[in-house]
Amino acid sequence: DTAVSQTPKYLVTQMGNDKSIKCEQNLGHDTMYWYKQDSKKFLKIMFSYNNKELIINETVPNRFSPKSPDKAHLNLHINSLELGDSAVYFCASSQRVGNSPLHFGNGTRLTVT
Amino acid sequence: GQNIDQPTEMTATEGAIVQINCTYQTSGFNGLFWYQQHAGEAPTFLSYNVLDGLEEKGRFSSFLSRSKGYSYLLLKELQMKDSASYLCAVTGGSYIPTFGRGTSLIVHP
Repeated sequence: DTAVSQTPKYLVTQMGNDKSIKCEQNLGHDTMYWYKQDSKKFLKIMFSYNNKELIINETVPNRFSPKSPDKAHLNLHINSLELGDSAVYFCASSQRVGNSPLHFGNGTRLTVT
Repeated sequence: GQNIDQPTEMTATEGAIVQINCTYQTSGFNGLFWYQQHAGEAPTFLSYNVLDGLEEKGRFSSFLSRSKGYSYLLLKELQMKDSASYLCAVTGGSYIPTFGRGTSLIVHP
């Protein structure tokens, strides 16, 4: 299946822990993104990579570190998790930057207790 | 920066037509997208407008007026399965889509 896949689907962890979310796309797209969707369903851009290069880094705490080993993968590592990090994190890809629609992964629901 | 506004919630009757509006202010403009998101699922792409006018795709149409910073999504022959959130996203000078807060559409029999 051609798709954007992210793992895990659910992540429950305690404050202070470090966790990673993985994302892979086999659509041959150049651009990948991480979005955070809060409890009010607002989707906010966190990071964007184009051909493995960081092009957008919004105002995100530096506890969040993206890593793109190649243009098909964009992983997200989060250090020292806080209660406010609880949200759904969506990975997405697009053929190119700008006028291409986003293809989203199924999301990772992160709960920090 | 960018500012995108859309109504929080709308209700409509099965079989009817509903129009969901989106207004935006942006530095530079490189296109406007509409996405549908069912509860507990990922957003899926519905339409893209970059030039003024109406784009029709089956029961869904999307309109854009760049001079007014305005778009709408028109859903015809509403079905119960159309109950979802509809997200307006604008690509500005940064070329990265910025989303509005979404409109929750409830379709009732």
